[in-house]
Amino acid sequence: DGGITQSPKYLFRKEGQNVTLSCEQNLNHDAMYWYRQDPGQGLRLIYYSQIVNDFQKGDIAEGYSVSREKKESFPLTVTSAQKNPTAFYLCASSRFSPRLAGAYPQETQYFGPGTRLLVL
Amino acid sequence: AQKVTQAQTEISVVEKEDVTLDCVYETRDTTYYLFWYKQPPSGELVFLIRRNSFDEQNEISGRYSWNFQKSTSSFNFTITASQVVDSAVYFCALSERGKLIFGQGTELSVKP
Repeated sequence: DGGITQSPKYLFRKEGQNVTLSCEQNLNHDAMYWYRQDPGQGLRLIYYSQIVNDFQKGDIAEGYSVSREKKESFPLTVTSAQKNPTAFYLCASSRFSPRLAGAYPQETQYFGPGTRLLVL
Repeated sequence: AQKVTQAQTEISVVEKEDVTLDCVYETRDTTYYLFWYKQPPSGELVFLIRRNSFDEQNEISGRYSWNFQKSTSSFNFTITASQVVDSAVYFCALSERGKLIFGQGTELSVKP
């Protein structure tokens, strides 16, 4: 079955520690995204990547880093610079349609099950 | 700036009632896309519908229906004859140059 997997389901971080969240997809999607969700709030975009070896900052990139070495994988590292990392992290992927005649097509994003990050 | 407003934070209904979730958006783009997602207690977002700004036809899928009105910048979602399994947080989202802007979500509780 095609889908998006995220691991681990729960992750604990100690003070000053970097942790990496995994996101893998076998949908053959070009674009991948990382979102953060805080209790009672909507999703906020951290980073996104439309093609391998390229990625862009979202609205709340500070304290996070990503890489996109393979089409299937888009790991997110929460660095020690992120002072309030406790949240639910969701990864998503979509097909990518390039800009055409000034319009930005938006393909449907499909989401993984999420990783809940807690600080010890 | 693009914006999505879901004014209803929480809604509680009894099973078999109809319920409408409101979504109002702001955008300067002439071409844009709107989405609805469902987030059950497990946490994963489930895609429900995608509409583009040129298609104002209402859509019905089983007990779900969507009313898109560009004149009022609204994209409302109605569940007919609600069921306990419909209990979840529902998000409306708007496209912005290859990204999505999400509303704050509406938590729907359907009681037996």
